[in-house]
Amino acid sequence: QVQLQESGPGLVKPSQTLSLTCTVSGDSISSGGYYWSWIRQHPGKGLEWIGYIYYSGSTYSNPSLKRRITISVDTSKKQFSLKLSSVTAADTAVYYCARESRYCTNGVCYSNFDYWGQGALVTVSS
Amino acid sequence: QSVLTQPPSASGTPGQRVTISCSGSRSNIGTNTVSWYQQLPGTAPKLLIYSNNQWPSGVPDRFSGFKSGTSASLAISGLQSEDEADYYCAAWDDSLNGPVFGGGTKLTVL
Repeated sequence: QVQLQESGPGLVKPSQTLSLTCTVSGDSISSGGYYWSWIRQHPGKGLEWIGYIYYSGSTYSNPSLKRRITISVDTSKKQFSLKLSSVTAADTAVYYCARESRYCTNGVCYSNFDYWGQGALVTVSS
Repeated sequence: QSVLTQPPSASGTPGQRVTISCSGSRSNIGTNTVSWYQQLPGTAPKLLIYSNNQWPSGVPDRFSGFKSGTSASLAISGLQSEDEADYYCAAWDDSLNGPVFGGGTKLTVL
């Protein structure tokens, strides 16, 4: 059974960097075929995709957040991490890590998030 | 403002069939497949439907997904009290080069 678990500080000061780590069990990040993703949910709001990393290290982020985001992977530790710089109160949210299953063929992309972490609430406040 | 559009709320009585719609555009639903997620209060989203109409293991067939053109819908038959949750649709977006979500629909079982 694949499990993901977020960890990191629950409180970050404005202008600082939010750092979260996701630890994966029951699967190998190095096995390929999956994209290890970050998604956030503002209080009482919907889901917002932040970005993903592939086991090779290639990453892609939501253009709305791209210049503030760093996503990295440590396959030996079965972990991937998110850093979001220059945070403001608008970055207060529950942050989820998730495994995305995606393949594209004949011009059609089949994408879904089949496993999720329990979520980590990060509050930005002084 | 979510890329995919869902009604903010839906409701039904036990045993009823309810549907939740999800509207997108050519670059997402119009081209790629749709997935649906159920988020019970205080928990992480759970995959409910993938590839428009496929069930992950363990999901009852009371839940069914449909897609036509740039719209999709989730149908829940034999509504149960435990179905009370938020439901989200999602699809890959070719313009964003990433996945997009609907704003979510809060389902109330009366």
